Amino acid sequence: EIVLTQSPGTLSLSPGERATLSCRASQSVSSSYLAWYQQKPGQAPRLLIYGASSRATGIPDRFSGSGSGTDFTLTISRLEPEDFAVYYCQQYGSSPTTFGPGTKVDIK
Amino acid sequence: QVQLVQSGAEVKKPGASVKVSCKASGYTFTGYYMHWVRQAPGQGLEWMGWINPNSGGTNYAQKFQGRVTMTRDTSISTAYMELSRLRSDDTAVYYCARGSITMVRGVIITVALFDYWGQGTLVTVSS
Repeated sequence: EIVLTQSPGTLSLSPGERATLSCRASQSVSSSYLAWYQQKPGQAPRLLIYGASSRATGIPDRFSGSGSGTDFTLTISRLEPEDFAVYYCQQYGSSPTTFGPGTKVDIK
Repeated sequence: QVQLVQSGAEVKKPGASVKVSCKASGYTFTGYYMHWVRQAPGQGLEWMGWINPNSGGTNYAQKFQGRVTMTRDTSISTAYMELSRLRSDDTAVYYCARGSITMVRGVIITVALFDYWGQGTLVTVSS
């Protein structure tokens, strides 16, 4: 199965700053089937990005995804207070689907 | 609007079984696979398997083979996940999540991309 590694584990930033989150796969992700989810405490994950770079319905354009092959990035251009959360990447191009361990974005 | 509403929290003893339900609304239940994902306290997300509500076909993660059973009742648009021989490390929040569909070269395929999630069901295993 494909193992996903996310870095950093924790990112401490201030509102208004830019966040750059990394997701690396142990082997190439088929068809760039890479997604990003946001999860806040006590809530279910929410789909942000799919196909490596497409925003899900209703997701603000400050969220963007990029990458291909084994290296992917989620960028939040200017952090809003509601963006402080844990972010997971997921590959869904190979079975079984797998998730990364998450990156926590917290307030500096 | 699409909604997935799960059953309430459960407390079980080691060795027992638990059955969690997920009632879907706002879309054609038989048109999308239903997946189950769990999250242990303070941990990440772990995929458990899927059920095709149309055919009843299932695919389970190897880790759960022999212990998990996914079923559905199309008359009430509800999916179920039953986990048996519970252990303390099965303590987790269990989510149902709708799988998405996409088109590849003119063919519609299902993918394990989760566009809608249930609210989660906490299962606590403790003696």
